[in-house]
Amino acid sequence: EAGVAQSPRYKIIEKRQSVAFWCNPISGHATLYWYQQILGQGPKLLIQFQNNGVVDDSQLPKDRFSAERLKGVDSTLKIQPAKLEDSAVYLCASTSMGATDTQYFGPGTRLTVL
Amino acid sequence: GENVEQHPSTLSVQEGDSAVIKCTYSDSASNYFPWYKQELGKGPQLIIDIRSNVGEKKDQRIAVTLNKTAKHFSLHITETQPEDSAVYFCAASAGSSNTGKLIFGQGTTLQVKP
Repeated sequence: EAGVAQSPRYKIIEKRQSVAFWCNPISGHATLYWYQQILGQGPKLLIQFQNNGVVDDSQLPKDRFSAERLKGVDSTLKIQPAKLEDSAVYLCASTSMGATDTQYFGPGTRLTVL
Repeated sequence: GENVEQHPSTLSVQEGDSAVIKCTYSDSASNYFPWYKQELGKGPQLIIDIRSNVGEKKDQRIAVTLNKTAKHFSLHITETQPEDSAVYFCAASAGSSNTGKLIFGQGTTLQVKP
């Protein structure tokens, strides 16, 4: 079974530029998560989708971050405009159902904002 | 708010020794406690998990214990090997939401010296 795919793996941008990350979850997984992992910290949930609907986006900085999962499969996370403090690894995870099911993580996208 | 504290932040052991990592959580409604291993440049990978109706779970050299009264849980790795070297994260479900949201600890960097 293929794992969670993410691209790009690395991205370097200047502050105030925009950037987008892509995630393709494990086939058939209805729930998709985006996490932000700042160096030296644990992952922090940004947004959770169930199929194409948002379940939780309480920690998403909505003035600059947006995410969509239009067809309930793959998802994109966008930052516009980026700030220095957005430098982090952005992880995508998916589960087959939801609560208390194993979350499978992708390799992440490492973003550096200069 | 929901919080997970993890200790120690770094742990160095000799090959063959045991390693113990401890976590405490704040949300008494949390009922799912996974442990993840993260190697350099990779996403977190689930190594073991425990649910609130069980006090202990073991899988070969890895075991997890849960004390719901005290709101803490621990990871025990016996007969450590150099390939166990990685960052380990504990997590607790955000019990009140029951959406699968996980709150992660800050991570423990485990170094196993040959």
